[in-house]
Amino acid sequence: GAVVSQHPSWVICKSGTSVKIECRSLDFQATTMFWYRQFPKQSLMLMATSNEGSKATYEQGVEKDKFLINHASLTLSTLTVTSAHPEDSSFYICSATSRVGEQYFGPGTRLTVT
Amino acid sequence: KQEVTQIPAALSVPEGENLVLNCSFTDSAIYNLQWFRQDPGKGLTSLLLIQSSQREQTSGRLNASLDKSSGRSTLYIAASQPGDSATYLCAVAGNQFYFGTGTSLTVIP
Repeated sequence: GAVVSQHPSWVICKSGTSVKIECRSLDFQATTMFWYRQFPKQSLMLMATSNEGSKATYEQGVEKDKFLINHASLTLSTLTVTSAHPEDSSFYICSATSRVGEQYFGPGTRLTVT
Repeated sequence: KQEVTQIPAALSVPEGENLVLNCSFTDSAIYNLQWFRQDPGKGLTSLLLIQSSQREQTSGRLNASLDKSSGRSTLYIAASQPGDSATYLCAVAGNQFYFGTGTSLTVIP
């Protein structure tokens, strides 16, 4: 079946630095990719919708200047957490939608900001 | 490896009926279980989150139960409406997320 990978799976960074998380669809072209985050003991929440070649659409309350999303190709989307702070520590997960509308989820990236 | 299964794969009911969606998982070592709704072409919308120590959660017409020992969860929708038509996904959280296959629900006016 289709596979979506995320890299890194786990990252620790210092406050004030930026972190880039990659989401790749390994054997299909993803017309749309979604980014989610989950804070401890809270639900997985949609952050933004990313279509290849266009600007991402952010959900209410998500700062687009802080969470930069680049969907440069049909197999890769990146989420950059800029000037990370401890409150950005979370589990980030992406999903990718194939041309026929099937959605596949990545395994997630756990970000810890110290 | 965790496996999450949802039954039925598709369900069609007349408006006003109560219905139950089922989710089963093979590894009971989970942190929580979540139910999501997905509309065509859209991202997931979180419906209910049940922590591993909890038995059920309720939100409006929705009630989700969790029996961790038997590896089962149910989502109960009361008095279904056409606007409830969507795909419903359950996901269990361990060290990573494991999503179910989804149930496509159609509520007929």
